[in-house]
Amino acid sequence: GENVEQHPSTLSVQEGDSAVIKCTYSDSASNYFPWYKQELGKRPQLIIDIRSNVGEKKDQRIAVTLNKTAKHFSLHITETQPEDSAVYFCAPQGGSYIPTFGRGTSLIVHP
Amino acid sequence: EPEVTQTPSHQVTQMGQEVILRCVPISNHLYFYWYRQILGQKVEFLVSFYNNEISEKSEIFDDQFSVERPDGSNFTLKIRSTKLEDSAMYFCASSSSFGPNYGYTFGSGTRLTVV
Repeated sequence: GENVEQHPSTLSVQEGDSAVIKCTYSDSASNYFPWYKQELGKRPQLIIDIRSNVGEKKDQRIAVTLNKTAKHFSLHITETQPEDSAVYFCAPQGGSYIPTFGRGTSLIVHP
Repeated sequence: EPEVTQTPSHQVTQMGQEVILRCVPISNHLYFYWYRQILGQKVEFLVSFYNNEISEKSEIFDDQFSVERPDGSNFTLKIRSTKLEDSAMYFCASSSSFGPNYGYTFGSGTRLTVV
């Protein structure tokens, strides 16, 4: 199956700083790369995704970049705000069409 | 915005009992999933369901588990002979299509506590 690693496991930043979370995967057949945000005690919510024919996608303060050759994709959050504090999961989908979730990155944004 | 609805939000059960977790997927979605998340850990795939049958299941989804779509709207997960280690948050999810390039909509989850 797919091996998915997320780094870092915990990220602490000051409000206004940028945050970057990296996800590496093993299945070269993966071609859909979403990021989910899970606030404490709530459901995971899809916040941004990218497909394998695109290298970067932006949506306001968040962006995702993909390097298929190196098999990793990253979540970028600019101008972080306290409400960005959550656990972020990557979940690449490969040949089986079932996403494999990473272990999550806990982002803490200090006011 | 359409939502996936799960009931109950919390379920406490004694070890060895059977529980049924219920989900109402988004009405025009065709693919349904159950995931579980042990406290503080990652989201783990249990099973996917399409066209009234299981399409994929993980190693976790053994004979203790079963899924059913008893009518046109509900999608249930049954856990028989619950064990302490079944305590987790169980999320139902649905998607309009199956395969790469589609994200999921998750329900708000059922927190199962086995005592």
